[in-house]
Amino acid sequence: DAGITQSPRHKVTETGTPVTLRCHQTENHRYMYWYRQDPGHGLRLIHYSYGVKDTDKGEVSDGYSVSRSKTEDFLLTLESATSSQTSVYFCAISESGGGGMTDTQYFGPGTRLTVL
Amino acid sequence: AQSVTQPDIHITVSEGASLELRCNYSYGATPYLFWYVQSPGQGLQLLLKYFSGDTLVQGIKGFEAEFKRSQSSFNLRKPSVHWSDAAEYFCAVGLYQAGTALIFGKGTTLSVSS
Repeated sequence: DAGITQSPRHKVTETGTPVTLRCHQTENHRYMYWYRQDPGHGLRLIHYSYGVKDTDKGEVSDGYSVSRSKTEDFLLTLESATSSQTSVYFCAISESGGGGMTDTQYFGPGTRLTVL
Repeated sequence: AQSVTQPDIHITVSEGASLELRCNYSYGATPYLFWYVQSPGQGLQLLLKYFSGDTLVQGIKGFEAEFKRSQSSFNLRKPSVHWSDAAEYFCAVGLYQAGTALIFGKGTTLSVSS
């Protein structure tokens, strides 16, 4: 299994509070991603990173920000959590972004976030 | 816009019977296609992937998938289902303008009856 950890694994918070989720990898992969998973929607991309301090928005980025100061860590922040952000959040990594057989995305175990 | 459709939300198959999960995609260029499986409370595990070449792709756990460009499909198959295959299955297409960011279908839940 790819070396990806997510913390915390479970969190309950209140509306309006800031929340930061952490993804840590030991694979030294360049690309990192944050997805959210909701029933009936599958997984949707929030933000991704293609290198240290290089990030871009995904399909559902409103209300989220990210930071990547080191290759191994990718942080997802909810500046002011809302109930609509209750979800399971998955981090993923990939070695490269240009296609090819090495270009596979590996997923972390997920963080279940509940916003009351 | 790119999209992935999994027409079946839930499928029940008898143990030992064959399985086919459908996936259709919409993508302008040559697609990169994936099937992932998610067991309850777990992360996603890659079953197989298609980038190019042979259109019949073999994966782990006895799964295979066939890419059919004319039908824009990438259906997942298994000749004999085991109870441990009960899970949620996701088809995805790779967007190479955003690293390897994936567009996922909404998933198909597989139940296995004895």
